[in-house]
Amino acid sequence: AQSVAQPEDQVNVAEGNPLTVKCTYSVSGNPYLFWYVQYPNRGLQFLLKYITGDNLVKGSYGFEAEFNKSQTSFHLKKPSALVSDSALYFCAVRDSPGGSYIPTFGRGTSLIVHP
Amino acid sequence: EAGVTQFPSHSVIEKGQTVTLRCDPISGHDNLYWYRRVMGKEIKFLLHFVKESKQDESGMPNNRFLAERTGGTYSTLKVQPAELEDSGVYFCASSQDLIGLRPGDTQYFGPGTRLTVL
Repeated sequence: AQSVAQPEDQVNVAEGNPLTVKCTYSVSGNPYLFWYVQYPNRGLQFLLKYITGDNLVKGSYGFEAEFNKSQTSFHLKKPSALVSDSALYFCAVRDSPGGSYIPTFGRGTSLIVHP
Repeated sequence: EAGVTQFPSHSVIEKGQTVTLRCDPISGHDNLYWYRRVMGKEIKFLLHFVKESKQDESGMPNNRFLAERTGGTYSTLKVQPAELEDSGVYFCASSQDLIGLRPGDTQYFGPGTRLTVL
């Protein structure tokens, strides 16, 4: 079975400061990991993914995420937050090989960046 | 290229009424998925179409929910009769290939329909 946890309902950060949105996962095999962002009144937008290779993955809008196998984590990071980054962020995981092709999503974390 | 569109954006109905949600996937995408997010909870998978056929409907909560995709283009999700616990945001997504054939195939999501059952 595959599962994902986003332990924080909300993250507050001041503009210009680094941000981290946490995600941990559980799979039987190797994980495929994703981050999506939902801006108000918009659909989920794909940010980045980890499939294999370099543990540090770079994505859209200056975001990056680090895959940590020993800690089963895939935290989303950005060196300098913008007010426009305020949105709802979802982590998702797929198990491989042979796992469900449908990703399991977390509960979402609301990121609020204060001016 | 137009993205995934959903209609309506919001729907407020009373318990016992019927509501039909519509999703138009990206043109040429054979795969269409429905998800639901109840307030503050995870985004849960409902079902998956490949063209007009239901590939996986394991996430459909009960027989009050009926999804169709006639002609393999747009899809509708009907809730009849609606109950209070059906409230939430219903997302539709589409992908060109079956996600999983290639690791990390990306789904493209619509803006969602916010359903409120009173």
